[in-house]
Amino acid sequence: GESVGLHLPTLSVQEGDNSIINCAYSNSASDYFIWYKQESGKGPQFIIDIRSNMDKRQGQRVTVLLNKTVKHLSLQIAATQPGDSAVYFCAENSGGSNYKLTFGKGTLLTVNP
Amino acid sequence: NAGVTQTPKFRVLKTGQSMTLLCAQDMNHEYMYWYRQDPGMGLRLIHYSVGEGTTAKGEVPDGYNVSRLKKQNFLLGLESAAPSQTSVYFCASTKGLAGANEQFFGPGTRLTVL
Repeated sequence: GESVGLHLPTLSVQEGDNSIINCAYSNSASDYFIWYKQESGKGPQFIIDIRSNMDKRQGQRVTVLLNKTVKHLSLQIAATQPGDSAVYFCAENSGGSNYKLTFGKGTLLTVNP
Repeated sequence: NAGVTQTPKFRVLKTGQSMTLLCAQDMNHEYMYWYRQDPGMGLRLIHYSVGEGTTAKGEVPDGYNVSRLKKQNFLLGLESAAPSQTSVYFCASTKGLAGANEQFFGPGTRLTVL
């Protein structure tokens, strides 16, 4: 999961394995959640989103799980590839805000060939 | 369709200098945002705009000004740069409200203030 400090949490996996990245969100009133991928030197790229009326959503090779009871979000990446190496961070719409997203600090995923 | 573009990509300023960062989007999005990204911290919202001619303060607006004279452009200005403004700046846009829609981000501007 994510933590305070200058050093990002890291996850190192072998190519072909499944990856699970976790995120604890802060506001129980938040009702929209997003996962972003950020490669070095680039802007964040949308991966998948989920609304609070769902607890699971699947995309291509990715699944997001939402547990509102414990305010926890996870991103599962199936058959992880070297191109998946990046920083992944979650965002919540800050207690249901229309404009403000609260972003997590991120987790660095490294995929070993 | 270029998406969201930002200029410049890199800039070095001396304390007290001013500059303007330009963000442009070609997706006809109503909403635009400026964020800063610092090591060990999540993206923080500086200012945002809900439409042409309108702007609003975000989480960390001090020391910055913005303008949205055209729907496709959102400018971020630093009137008197300070070392604390050394950061990577990202612009983003959404078709609808950020609280319910995907944000499209630009590639970022890396600013160093000496």
